[in-house]
Amino acid sequence: GENVEQHPSTLSVQEGDSAVIKCTYSDSASNYFPWYKQELGKRPQLIIDIRSNVGEKKDQRIAVTLNKTAKHFSLHITETQPEDSAVYFCAAGATGGGNKLTFGTGTQLKVEL
Amino acid sequence: NAGVTQTPKFQVLKTGQSMTLQCAQDMNHNSMYWYRQDPGMGLRLIYYSASEGTTDKGEVPNGYNVSRLNKREFSLRLESAAPSQTSVYFCASTVSYGEQYFGPGTRLTVT
Repeated sequence: GENVEQHPSTLSVQEGDSAVIKCTYSDSASNYFPWYKQELGKRPQLIIDIRSNVGEKKDQRIAVTLNKTAKHFSLHITETQPEDSAVYFCAAGATGGGNKLTFGTGTQLKVEL
Repeated sequence: NAGVTQTPKFQVLKTGQSMTLQCAQDMNHNSMYWYRQDPGMGLRLIYYSASEGTTDKGEVPNGYNVSRLNKREFSLRLESAAPSQTSVYFCASTVSYGEQYFGPGTRLTVT
């Protein structure tokens, strides 16, 4: 089955700096790569996703890049703000087969003032 | 439109007790999922239902059973709870291949 590795497990940045979280996946059939943000005590919520026919996608301060050849994808947050502090999860999945997702183990991002 | 709802929010069980976690969605989604979340381990899939009438095992199915009661409802049952099943349980749903919407979670403690 699919295996998703996520790094780093914790990340501390100063407000206004950029943050980068990286994930690798193992199954070449995976073609959907979402990123979820989870605030303390809350449910995970989708912040951005990318499909394998696209190399990069941007939404305001958030961007995701995908390298299919190397089987890795990354989340980039620019101009970080204290409200960006949360746990971020990457995931990978393939069309069909119940539309399952395999999640990474999460990155605790802390944005310090 | 409530989205995905779960009951109960919190539960404490003694080892060996049984319970059912309930999940419902009002978005007419086809696929539903049960995950468990443990510190440092992300979200792990327990069982899923690709469509009404079907269920399949995920990554960590041992000790659990599920029922897709209808298109809206997907329940998770612990027949004989064990301390290793202490976790936060999330239900999720999706209409097709794309965003999974999560419920608020159930925090379960087994003593």
